Amino acid sequence: SAVISQKPSRDICQRGTSLTIQCQVDSQVTMMFWYRQQPGQSLTLIATANQGSEATYESGFVIDKFPISRPNLTFSTLTVSNMSPEDSSIYLCSVGGFSSEQFFGPGTRLTVL
Amino acid sequence: QKEVEQNSGPLSVPEGAIASLNCTYSDRGSQSFFWYRQYSGKSPELIMFIYSNGDKEDGRFTAQLNKASQYVSLLIRDSQPSDSATYLCAVIYNQGGKLIFGQGTELSVKP
Repeated sequence: SAVISQKPSRDICQRGTSLTIQCQVDSQVTMMFWYRQQPGQSLTLIATANQGSEATYESGFVIDKFPISRPNLTFSTLTVSNMSPEDSSIYLCSVGGFSSEQFFGPGTRLTVL
Repeated sequence: QKEVEQNSGPLSVPEGAIASLNCTYSDRGSQSFFWYRQYSGKSPELIMFIYSNGDKEDGRFTAQLNKASQYVSLLIRDSQPSDSATYLCAVIYNQGGKLIFGQGTELSVKP
């Protein structure tokens, strides 16, 4: 399985600010995904990060709030913009493919005050 | 809307017993099925992956898939206190590899 790292591991931010989360994989992967896990909840897919094209967002998530970059096959970033306390969650990136195993990074724990 | 349903628990079993976790899904077009284990404060860890009807065994874990009845289960034999965690069922539909997660079942194994 791929080794996935995320930065930062946690952060405490003020409302109205933005935070960029980085996801690095030790091998080239076609598909990368960003998930959110709100306190006490399960995981919800935010978007699929596509290399060389715009990210594909799920219902309820928009590019202005969660811009994503995917400059190459080993790296992606997710920005949480204009944050509010409701954005306090764990943000996880994962890698995998169609009908195959998906593996998760260690996550970024975000608290918005 | 595609849904994945799990009993939230908590499910409590004594050490050494068999823990049985169940998951149902709504879309017959589902392709692949996953069980993840998540310890508190940690990210999900893949423990089982199944895509064919029947059973798949890996050590103390057995995944059972029944596509006709649209359920997938996870059996944990000889449960240990270290198995205490939340178990997440996830399904991939034929739509670009995205995982749809259930709400998770909290398992507690008592010494």
